[in-house]
Amino acid sequence: GENVEQHPSTLSVQEGDSAVIKCTYSDSASNYFPWYKQELGKGPQLIIDIRSNVGEKKDQRIAVTLNKTAKHFSLHITETQPEDSAVYFCAASLGGSQGNLIFGKGTKLSVKP
Amino acid sequence: DGGITQSPKYLFRKEGQNVTLSCEQNLNHDAMYWYRQDPGQGLRLIYYSQIVNDFQKGDIAEGYSVSREKKESFPLTVTSAQKNPTAFYLCASSVDEGNTIYFGEGSWLTVV
Repeated sequence: GENVEQHPSTLSVQEGDSAVIKCTYSDSASNYFPWYKQELGKGPQLIIDIRSNVGEKKDQRIAVTLNKTAKHFSLHITETQPEDSAVYFCAASLGGSQGNLIFGKGTKLSVKP
Repeated sequence: DGGITQSPKYLFRKEGQNVTLSCEQNLNHDAMYWYRQDPGQGLRLIYYSQIVNDFQKGDIAEGYSVSREKKESFPLTVTSAQKNPTAFYLCASSVDEGNTIYFGEGSWLTVV
């Protein structure tokens, strides 16, 4: 079946540094790619998303890039802060259905003060 | 406040018992979903519903059942047939099947 690979599984950075999380997907029909942040014991929160007709999207310290040819997309967090510490999940839509998502296994980001 | 409410937050059950997790949303969303999350794993889709009185199996539906009698409610029953029920269960909703998915706060189920 279709899948999404996410790397790294854990990432530790110093406060103020940048963090990059990468995902690759297998379904060439995927056209929607959200990123979620999950704090311990809570539900995932959408932090940014990108659609296949766009190569890059930014929202303050967060950016996502998409390379449809290579079927990979990345989350970039600049000027990291301790409150950025959480588990981050990427996802890709199954085919053209935005509501049917395949998730990566998550990246645990730790930002050290 | 608008949102997705899951209850209970923590639930303990003995092996062999069925248990029902509640999910209510007041966002007027048509589509609702149930996901299961295990430690170190991504989210796996159990069931989803695009409209009232209709639902479809996801990737891991075996041992689970759902109903969608009302637009705002999508309860999940974990039956005794589910071999490894202990997990974190997440309910989600979207305006419709083609829109962004939003999650509730989750329910922890422990079966002993």
